Order: sequence, then C-alpha cells, then structure tokens
Amino acid sequence: GAVVSQHPSWVICKSGTSVKIECRSLDFQATTMFWYRQFPKQSLMLMATSNEGSKATYEQGVEKDKFLINHASLTLSTLTVTSAHPEDSSFYICSARHSGGAGETQYFGPGTRLLVL
Amino acid sequence: GESVGLHLPTLSVQEGDNSIINCAYSNSASDYFIWYKQESGKGPQFIIDIRSNMDKRQGQRVTVLLNKTVKHLSLQIAATQPGDSAVYFCAENTQGGSEKLVFGKGTKLTVNP
Repeated sequence: GAVVSQHPSWVICKSGTSVKIECRSLDFQATTMFWYRQFPKQSLMLMATSNEGSKATYEQGVEKDKFLINHASLTLSTLTVTSAHPEDSSFYICSARHSGGAGETQYFGPGTRLLVL
Repeated sequence: GESVGLHLPTLSVQEGDNSIINCAYSNSASDYFIWYKQESGKGPQFIIDIRSNMDKRQGQRVTVLLNKTVKHLSLQIAATQPGDSAVYFCAENTQGGSEKLVFGKGTKLTVNP
C-alpha cells in the first residue's frame, strides 16, 4: 500500500514552454501532497504544500506564478512549470501524506527529471 | 569508513557487515522522525519511522535509535547487502505544527562485495 506515481518520469522541453507533472496517490486518499525539487548530490528542497480544494502554500523564494499547483482531487496534484528555462532543469518529486505507522508519513513518487534546453 | 565530501557524507562497508548511519536533527520540538532510502534516479523510499516517545524501533534488518537528549538519530542496517547501496536521508517533523518534513543532508552508503 501507499503507492505514489508521477507522470511523466522524464521530459525534455525547449526554453519558454510549459511542462505539467502529475502526482497520484494510487491506493489511498491524500488531502495533502508536497512538491520538492532536488539538485544532483543534494537533499530534497520543499517547494510547496498542496492541499485538496484550496490554494497551495509556497516556500519562501518559490515563485507561485512560475510553479502552478493544482490539487483538484484527493488522489491527484499537478505541478506546472511555466515558461521553463534551463535553470529549472532538476529532479521534481512529489509526496503524499498518509496516516499509518508511527505517525503521518509522507510517501514519495518516483520523481520526474526535467531538462530544459 | 566514513568521510564527508563536498556535498554528501559517504560510508563504505563490506557486504555482510552492519552499517550505522547517523543524523543530527535541528529542532528539539520535533517528535516524529523518518528514514528514507533513495537510489539513483528514483524517489525516496520509506524505510522506518519513530515517534519521540520511543527510543528504539525495529524493522526487517533495520533499527532506528533516537536520542532526544543530544538530538541524534541513527539507522542501523544488519548484514548489509549490495542492494542497500543508496543515499539515506533522515527527516523530522513536529506533530501538531507544520506538516512539513525537514530533511537532513543525506549519507551515501556504498556496499562493497
């Protein structure tokens, strides 16, 4: 149980285009999902918290107009990188919050590798 | 042995040995902790978690130890296998506070056959 999927797994796009990444919780409902980005050999950096039916909460320094988040259902959140530029190239990972174990655990998707040319 | 590189601390062990990965957390108010394993090009995978009312929790081949006095968390892997090679992250959270997890820098574990 507690499986999270992401689509696509990798994407290459031209500078100036927009890219949408989907995050789905496959076998549980997630009222809260999180979006992270990760640069090579570094830890995960939280970008935003996505709440079903309400606006996302962005971390300091993350442009909400550039990284659009929509959490339309209890099993789907999307991240759209608008007008992507080469510096947006990174590994984007989502997670979904699930009750169980010792506490409120976050389960992660497999990640989406974005390369902007 | 263990060394600290420019980005990630690294730990090299021989197959079959026990591994101990350490993590110092920052917030004394944190009361929930998780260890994740991340293989190259993949998302983090949940390994084991522990709440602050416990000081030890065991899973299959893994044990997490929590020392709240010195804000230290460790992950012990018994009989380490080549498939255990990955980057391991600890994460902390404060229940009743922000839902956010705060991740440590990670430790790269290399298991030599």
